[in-house]
Amino acid sequence: DGGITQSPKYLFRKEGQNVTLSCEQNLNHDAMYWYRQDPGQGLRLIYYSQIVNDFQKGDIAEGYSVSREKKESFPLTVTSAQKNPTAFYLCASSIAGTANNQPQHFGDGTRLSIL
Amino acid sequence: GNSVTQMEGPVTLSEEAFLTINCTYTATGYPSLFWYVQYPGEGLQLLLKATKADDKGSNKGFEATYRKETTSFHLEKGSVQVSDSAVYFCALSSPGSARQLTFGSGTQLTVLP
Repeated sequence: DGGITQSPKYLFRKEGQNVTLSCEQNLNHDAMYWYRQDPGQGLRLIYYSQIVNDFQKGDIAEGYSVSREKKESFPLTVTSAQKNPTAFYLCASSIAGTANNQPQHFGDGTRLSIL
Repeated sequence: GNSVTQMEGPVTLSEEAFLTINCTYTATGYPSLFWYVQYPGEGLQLLLKATKADDKGSNKGFEATYRKETTSFHLEKGSVQVSDSAVYFCALSSPGSARQLTFGSGTQLTVLP
């Protein structure tokens, strides 16, 4: 079955550490996205990528970094510069381009907590 | 810029009650509109969509009609079940936008037996 796999499901970080969240998709989608979700709030866009080796900052990119070396993979690194990293992180993918009727498909998320 | 406003929750209903979750939007051009559902501890799943004015999206007993004149896309279900308890997100996608989706803040629905 095609889908998006995020790992790990739960992740703990010590102060000052960088951590990397994995996102893999086998839907053959060109576009991939990272969102942050805080309790009781909506989704905020961190980074997105429309094509391999290219990505753009979203609304809250500070303290995060990404890479897009393969079509299937879009890992997110939460750096020590992110002062409040505790949140639920969601990865999504979609058919690329500017046609506006394509939905995004989501993974099951990674919950990051600070020790 | 684009924005989506949803009715604030939480919403608590008894089983078999009628559900309405209001959603209004601001966007340039002619956006597509979506409802997503998030069950506890999971990601978002597409519930339904509508891509032009007066379109009605429907799935699993849920419906929403794209009303351009009132810039609304309200979600309705005639008879809710306990299994419908989840968070519901309204979202829009504008033509020409590589970012694609703007989300509302979500509405928590709890259905009691």
